[in-house]
Order: sequence, then structure tokens, then C-alpha cells
Amino acid sequence: EPEVTQTPSHQVTQMGQEVILRCVPISNHLYFYWYRQILGQKVEFLVSFYNNEISEKSEIFDDQFSVERPDGSNFTLKIRSTKLEDSAMYFCASTGRGFTDTQYFGPGTRLTVL
Amino acid sequence: GIQVEQSPPDLILQEGANSTLRCNFSDSVNNLQWFHQNPWGQLINLFYIPSGTKQNGRLSATTVATERYSLLYISSSQTTDSGVYFCAVEYSKTSYDKVIFGPGTSLSVIP
Repeated sequence: EPEVTQTPSHQVTQMGQEVILRCVPISNHLYFYWYRQILGQKVEFLVSFYNNEISEKSEIFDDQFSVERPDGSNFTLKIRSTKLEDSAMYFCASTGRGFTDTQYFGPGTRLTVL
Repeated sequence: GIQVEQSPPDLILQEGANSTLRCNFSDSVNNLQWFHQNPWGQLINLFYIPSGTKQNGRLSATTVATERYSLLYISSSQTTDSGVYFCAVEYSKTSYDKVIFGPGTSLSVIP
């Protein structure tokens, strides 16, 4: 069964450093998402991406964040200058037809900012 | 912006029991989905259900969009049903916060 993969599984970084979280969506999917979940809290939407551009983003997704699909398989989330409050689990998801379709989630990357 | 609430916040069930989880939202929405996050953190999409009723095995969901709520039914619960259940709505009346998750219902099914 196809699956979404994410690397690394755990990233530890110093405050102010840049991090890149990587995702490989399901190969024939067209819509890609990033979500985050601070420990013990609800899931929060960050951004959706379709046709090589951002289609929607949340207030959390400020200028410190960017997304990219650098090749035909990877989908990345970059945080330019990490803050302590960026510590969270980051989930990538993909679908074939947007929010009206089943979203397949990766296992997540746990980001710890020290 | 829109408010999404879920009830109950916590639920403990004996294996084999049935349960109903509720999601209320304060404004009209384009879409609604239910998710399950298992105890290991994996997120699984259960239903896309902007209106009407859908069933998948022991799970079913009903959304009454005009009354701004959705229900998730779990029948004959099993220990593998444990975890957190989130509803999420897609909302288009603001520039941001297009997808809003509820706070979740934490379900523990005990043998």
C-alpha cells in the first residue's frame, strides 16, 4: 500500500537555526499539506500546496515558513529561524483531490528547538 | 473566525460498548472530516462528510450541516479504537485559518 514518508523522524536544533523537514507524498497525489501538533494539543493546519504553489495558509504560516516541491517527489517545509515555540510534531499529508478526498498522513517529524 | 468544539473531551469505554462523539461548529463550512490519532501518534483520515451519513465497518458518521454539527458513531468498540478523534472543517470566510481542527475527544477502550 502506498504511504507518505517523512524525514527525519526527530530533529533537534538550536533556536535561530534553519531546519528543513522533508516529505515524500504518494506518487500520484496532487495536493500536499503540512500540519503541526504541539505536544498534547490539537492538530493545526499550516499550509496546502497544489500545482506548485501555495493554495491556502494559516496565520501560523508566517514569513519564517516556506514550502517547496524541489523535484517530482519531495515536498519540504523550511523554518528559517526556529523559535522555542516551533517545537512540535510536524505532519505532512497528501490527497488526490484536495480536502474532499482522503488525506494520507506521514508518521511525522518531531522538532525540538533548544 | 469559526469555533469548532468537540464533546466529550474524554471517554472511557468497556470493550464492546458503543459511543457517539460530537463535533459542533459555529458557522457554515465547506467540508468536514473526521480523523483518528492512535496512541503512537499516527493520523488516519476516517471520513470526508460535509453532509449526510457514511458508514465504514463499525464506524459511521453523520453531519447535519444546517444545524452545524457532526456525529461519529463507534459500535462494538475495540481496544484498537483508543486514541484521539478530531473533526476538522474547511472554512472559507476568512483569509486565514481555512482548515480548523477541533480539540479532540480522547477515547480509551479497556478490555
